[in-house]
Parts: sequence; structure tokens; C-alpha cells
Amino acid sequence: EVQLLESGGDLVQPGGSLRLSCTASGFTFSDYGMTWVRQAPGKGLEWVSMIYKNSLGTNYAESVKGRFTISRDNSKNTLYLQMNTLRVEDTALYYCAKAQGGIVQGWHFDYWGQGALVTVSS
Amino acid sequence: QSVLTQPPSVSGAPGQRVTISCTGSSFNIGAGYDVHWYQQPLGAAPKLLIYGSTRRPSGVPDRFSGSKSGTSASLAITGLQAEDEADYYCQSYDNTLSAYVFGSGTKVTVL
Repeated sequence: EVQLLESGGDLVQPGGSLRLSCTASGFTFSDYGMTWVRQAPGKGLEWVSMIYKNSLGTNYAESVKGRFTISRDNSKNTLYLQMNTLRVEDTALYYCAKAQGGIVQGWHFDYWGQGALVTVSS
Repeated sequence: QSVLTQPPSVSGAPGQRVTISCTGSSFNIGAGYDVHWYQQPLGAAPKLLIYGSTRRPSGVPDRFSGSKSGTSASLAITGLQAEDEADYYCQSYDNTLSAYVFGSGTKVTVL
């Protein structure tokens, strides 16, 4: 059974930093791309970042580019999101998800964690 | 404002058929990228419902079906049930943004 468990969510002041982790089990982690998607309170889903298998490439939403860094440790089956220079508008539930598909037709996200809450407030 | 536009809400009585539209552009759906659909019940994580525009993951009832034409896609739910009450999101890739994009979301209410 595929399981994704996020951790690291917290209350942080504007301008601060936080690192989220997502521990995966139930599949060969190194064989798949992984992604972060966030959802602000009462709002819709917003894609944040994606990392391809074996860290062959990464991409980011414009709203987080230059502030957030996605990475992975395949030996630990863990995905990370380093978030710097946090803003109030980054407040959201952050989901990690397993990616499936390909570059030609696009990727979809077939398994999701339960989310980690990040609150940016003074 | 979302790149993919969905109606804010749709509703139907139990047993009825409802459809949710997802309108994009020539930079995403119209460029040939697949459309995927997710179901998110209140307070729960999203769940993949349709992938590759028309395919259902194992375990998803065949009451759910997807289609795609031109710059738009649709999700149909037939035989509406109380448990189908949830928010539904479409998702694709946009080549001008170089980003994965979600629709604005549609709340389905079972009357």
C-alpha cells in the first residue's frame, strides 16, 4: 500500500524558513517523480514544485521560484521542500504526491499524503 | 485567477447525471496535454479520479467518466450518490507557464 507522510509543518514568522519532509513507503521511491501541492485555507489546489526521478530535473511555480527548493533522498525514501523568505500568502496545507505519466503527455498525481500545515504569521 | 476554468458549483438529485467542465487554452489542454481529475471530500486529501483525460484508476466506479475535446475537458458523474459530494479539480500542464495547473474547483452538491 502506497503511503506518504508529511511532517515539519509549523507556525513561522514572515521572512522565516521551514523545511517540510515527506516519507514514502509501498513503492520504489527512486523510480518516480514527486511533487508538492498546496491549498490555502478555503481555497483551491495550487501546484508548487516537482522533482523527477533520480533528481534529473526540478521545476517550480512562479510564486515560489527562488524561495523554495525541492529535493529528495532516495536512500531514505524522503522528499523535502525547503521554504525560505516565507510570506503570509504561503500559509497553506502542503501535500506531497507521487507523480505518474511523462513529459510528452504531462504528469498526474496518483497518491497523496494528508498534508502538513504551514502558517506564516507575526 | 486559474488558467483552467471550472464552474463554482453544480448540483443534482440522487441518481441524476451531472457534468463539470474544465476550459483551458491552446497552451494547455489545446496543446495536447492530458487532463486529470481529482475528488476532494471536505476535510480530506485529494484523490485521483480520472487520468489521461478518460482513464479510471482501479477502484474508481465507472459512474465517473472523462472526456476531452479541443481546449476543454469534462467530468461526468452518472447515478449521483450522496458520497459524491465533494470538490472536484481538473489538472493539466501549461507550456507558457512551464507549470502544472489546476482548475478553480467545482463543488458538487447532492440535493
